[in-house]
Order: sequence, then structure tokens, then C-alpha cells
Amino acid sequence: SQQGEEDPQALSIQEGENATMNCSYKTSINNLQWYRQNSGRGLVHLILIRSNEREKHSGRLRVTLDTSKKSSSLLITASRAADTASYFCATGAGGTSYGKLTFGQGTILTVHP
Amino acid sequence: GAGVSQSPSNKVTEKGKDVELRCDPISGHTALYWYRQSLGQGLEFLIYFQGNSAPDKSGLPSDRFSAERTGGSVSTLTIQRTQQEDSAVYLCASSPDTGYGYTFGSGTRLTVV
Repeated sequence: SQQGEEDPQALSIQEGENATMNCSYKTSINNLQWYRQNSGRGLVHLILIRSNEREKHSGRLRVTLDTSKKSSSLLITASRAADTASYFCATGAGGTSYGKLTFGQGTILTVHP
Repeated sequence: GAGVSQSPSNKVTEKGKDVELRCDPISGHTALYWYRQSLGQGLEFLIYFQGNSAPDKSGLPSDRFSAERTGGSVSTLTIQRTQQEDSAVYLCASSPDTGYGYTFGSGTRLTVV
């Protein structure tokens, strides 16, 4: 079963607006990562946040992690048409599953010029 | 190399034939992963290799699927007696070690007719 569940499934906004995507998961994690996928092929790693961190920034990206609620959010500020893509959260567990990421179903983001 | 290289980029095969998919990871990356993605879906974990440890094969869907990694570098995913449900994009990724972000290849689109 999928560990991460993204919400919403699809998001449509205008250029310049902010986009927020959420991810919920079920079991304890070691880290949580966000990826972007264009045109259904290879994914690009955006940001990694570890379980002992609460917030992380990278350029126009801001990720938060709330381990008590088992949830994370990805905020893209001042969106651009080039941000149009599918965004996936992925969780890394500890123990014998360490290293293996479990991906959610993704959020399809469309940014209109 | 500069990135993760996968070949072929597209493969059409007849039902019942065997196929081999190749992945060339980033030089020096000790961890290598195989996932597959069906149309409009999230990523399904197949197998991962970490250094000289025994691979985690827990995601392989049947015994028709196997993978090897030679010399800690190139990996080959083999699907025997292909079925139509094997049609998907097969993605390979590598990382410097476990617990890091992945670098994905562009994938192999497998179509079984």
C-alpha cells in the first residue's frame, strides 16, 4: 500500500500565485522527500527533510514536516508556468527498510501564464 | 557519468518474450534502485542494491522479474515471459548512500503487445 498520500490530486493556479501541496503518511519515517516529474519520465529531487527537522527552504520552495500529525507540505511561492508538473512526496523509513523510498500518487500542478 | 543512464528508452516486445533493461548509475553512488510507474500512477518499488549487501527484492511482483548489479555499478533488470500488465515505465535511480535524495534516469518505456 502507498505510504504517502498527496492532497490535492490536481491543482490549477495562475502564474505568480503560491501553490501548496500536502502529503500524509502512516508509519514512522526517517526522512521525507519531494520530487517533480515532467512529461511522465524521470523524476527530479527537490528537497529532503529529516524526521528531526520541522522546516526547510530551497529557493522558492518551502517544506514543513509535522511528525506528530504524520504530514508534510510543499509550498511553491511566486509560481511560474515552468513549475507545471507532477509533484510526489516520498517517505524513507528506518530499520530494514532504510534507503527505500515509498512514493505517493502525486499532485498534478498546472500553472497558467 | 554525469547522470543516470537507462537503455533502451523505449522497448516494444511481444507477449511471452524476455526483456533486459539496463541502468548505468552515477559513478561512486553505492545505492541503486528500480521502480516502475504505470500510466498516471505513482512509483512502485521493485528492488534496491546497496554496496555489497544482499539486495532488497521485496517489491518484485513475481519470479519472472530479476535484477543484478555487476561490480557495484551497472544494473540489469530482466523480465521473463512478459505479460501485458508488465507495460509501464521502468525507472532506475541512484544515490550516494542510503538516506539521500535519488537521481533518476529518464526511464525505459516498456510496451508488451
